[in-house]
Amino acid sequence: SQTIHQWPATLVQPVGSPLSLECTVEGTSNPNLYWYRQAAGRGLQLLFYSVGIGQISSEVPQNLSASRPQDRQFILSSKKLLLSDSGFYLCAFRTKGFYGYTFGSGTRLTVV
Amino acid sequence: AQTVTQSQPEMSVQEAETVTLSCTYDTSESDYYLFWYKQPPSRQMILVIRQEAYKQQNATENRFSVNFQKAAKSFSLKISDSQLGDAAMYFCAYSENYGQNFVFGPGTRLSVLP
Repeated sequence: SQTIHQWPATLVQPVGSPLSLECTVEGTSNPNLYWYRQAAGRGLQLLFYSVGIGQISSEVPQNLSASRPQDRQFILSSKKLLLSDSGFYLCAFRTKGFYGYTFGSGTRLTVV
Repeated sequence: AQTVTQSQPEMSVQEAETVTLSCTYDTSESDYYLFWYKQPPSRQMILVIRQEAYKQQNATENRFSVNFQKAAKSFSLKISDSQLGDAAMYFCAYSENYGQNFVFGPGTRLSVLP
């Protein structure tokens, strides 16, 4: 079966520190991969998506970057976190058969 | 650009009763998908139901059903026999047939009263 793993579940980081959130998919190949951010009580904002290894599209210019070093691995990074980077980050994938997104369990990031 | 609107920020329903959540969208495409996602307090996003625009028949999944009105660009979710576990944020989402991403509505917070 197709599954998605996202970690860590919770992270508290000081302002100015680096960030690395990782997401991996199992049970499928060449998925579309996505990073979303959700502010408290708000909807989802698409940050990045990838249709293949090394292919990253950014939807919102900001302090974050994404990379896809392997087919089923998607990484969200920052060199220096800002307070405004706090939020809930969700990774998702979509297979070419397109039955909707499957989401990871999310990472709650608090920048202090 | 496509947009998704959920006009009800919050709704409540008595346990075992029926509730309908509203969603409207704007698109010039004729072929697309619509989805309802549930986000409980755990914040895990769970797919509840999906509808292909080319299908006239409304989708149904157990106690969940939709009323898809393509001409009106309306896609409401009906939850029958509401249970305490249905309490969550519900997001309506749109995607083009081969689109790269979804467009999510702002969400409706559903409370289920015992």
